[in-house]
Amino acid sequence: KQEVTQIPAALSVPEGENLVLNCSFTDSAIYNLQWFRQDPGKGLTSLLLIQSSQREQTSGRLNASLDKSSGRSTLYIAASQPGDSATYLCAVRPGAAGNKLTFGGGTRVLVKP
Amino acid sequence: KAGVTQTPRYLIKTRGQQVTLSCSPISGHRSVSWYQQTPGQGLQFLFEYFSETQRNKGNFPGRFSGRQFSNSRSEMNVSTLELGDSALYLCASSPTAHVTGELFFGEGSRLTVL
Repeated sequence: KQEVTQIPAALSVPEGENLVLNCSFTDSAIYNLQWFRQDPGKGLTSLLLIQSSQREQTSGRLNASLDKSSGRSTLYIAASQPGDSATYLCAVRPGAAGNKLTFGGGTRVLVKP
Repeated sequence: KAGVTQTPRYLIKTRGQQVTLSCSPISGHRSVSWYQQTPGQGLQFLFEYFSETQRNKGNFPGRFSGRQFSNSRSEMNVSTLELGDSALYLCASSPTAHVTGELFFGEGSRLTVL
């Protein structure tokens, strides 16, 4: 059974510092991995989607890497801003299960001005 | 382009009642999936529909059901509500049911069961 873990559950950084968020999964047989952002009481906003054949994906200040063999993904956010404060979730797609995603528990980020 | 629309956004029910939640996917998207989010269990997959057919189902009791209409809009129903059904119910849409597609989520329907 696929399990997705995000450690730490929460972190606090000063504005301007780079953020490094970790995601690990137990079964490397995935088709892709997606990173989301969730603001309190809101839905999920898709940040990056990395296919299993890719090593990384970039969008603006965001960069996500994927190492399938070791079951890890890392989301980097450069030069953090208070507006980056949110919960970040990673989710893997096991492939044969269509659009059934398995989510990690999330990392709650606070960027202090 | 409008995003995924979920209605109602908030609702309060009492134990034993039933509830129906609605989801309108992004225009042109044919796959709709539903997730339940609770503080204790996190995000859990409920079911997925594509072209009016249920493709996948999560590990939830039969009280949870859903359907998809020909215009791709989807509804989920929870019967005989229990306190533990209080959660944020999220709907996601994707252009296809192909595994490489990106999922886009709505704002969710927050259900409180008293």
